[in-house]
Amino acid sequence: DAGVIQSPRHEVTEMGQEVTLRCKPISGHNSLFWYRQTMMRGLELLIYFNNNVPIDDSGMPEDRFSAKMPNASFSTLKIQPSEPRDSAVYFCASSSVTLRGGYTFGSGTRLTVV
Amino acid sequence: TQLLEQSPQFLSIQEGENLTVYCNSSSVFSSLQWYRQEPGEGPVLLVTVVTGGEVKKLKRLTFQFGDARKDSSLHITAAQPGDTGLYLCADVGGTASKLTFGTGTRLQVTL
Repeated sequence: DAGVIQSPRHEVTEMGQEVTLRCKPISGHNSLFWYRQTMMRGLELLIYFNNNVPIDDSGMPEDRFSAKMPNASFSTLKIQPSEPRDSAVYFCASSSVTLRGGYTFGSGTRLTVV
Repeated sequence: TQLLEQSPQFLSIQEGENLTVYCNSSSVFSSLQWYRQEPGEGPVLLVTVVTGGEVKKLKRLTFQFGDARKDSSLHITAAQPGDTGLYLCADVGGTASKLTFGTGTRLQVTL
């Protein structure tokens, strides 16, 4: 298995632009998580899905953030419009519902908004 | 809301030294996982501990789960530069199918 695949690895965009981050989870995993990581705040859970259904989006900072999971093999996190304070590393992770095997994280997308 | 505090926050040591990092919870863990995150990558699962008092070894790493299941420690023997990274503990919480991560310990091992 290739693991959790995220794209792009790096994204630099101007303030006000739309940003879309992509994630392909491990086949057979039915939970998917989006995290944001900064030095100041550590790992923050933004939203997670079970069986493609959003379960908890209380970590989504504002209406500028939205996430979708149209099928079991693909998810997107969109920021529109982007702001400099959104600069961070965004991780996608997948797992089985039981979490016995823990999370498998992608390599992350480093977002810089200038 | 459960709080997971890890200590120390930062640790810089030389190759060959031993170290211990800690994870403490404001409530009882359901079960606990330790992850290591290397620079530029996502966290990777190292171990899961379930039973109070449990000890698990992974090469030079020894993981201990407190008897009361409110704390855990990770001991590294003869640290190597490859051990450098962010160490995170996480609670596999109850009925919620998600992890709660600790604040992390950032370890730097120099030659």
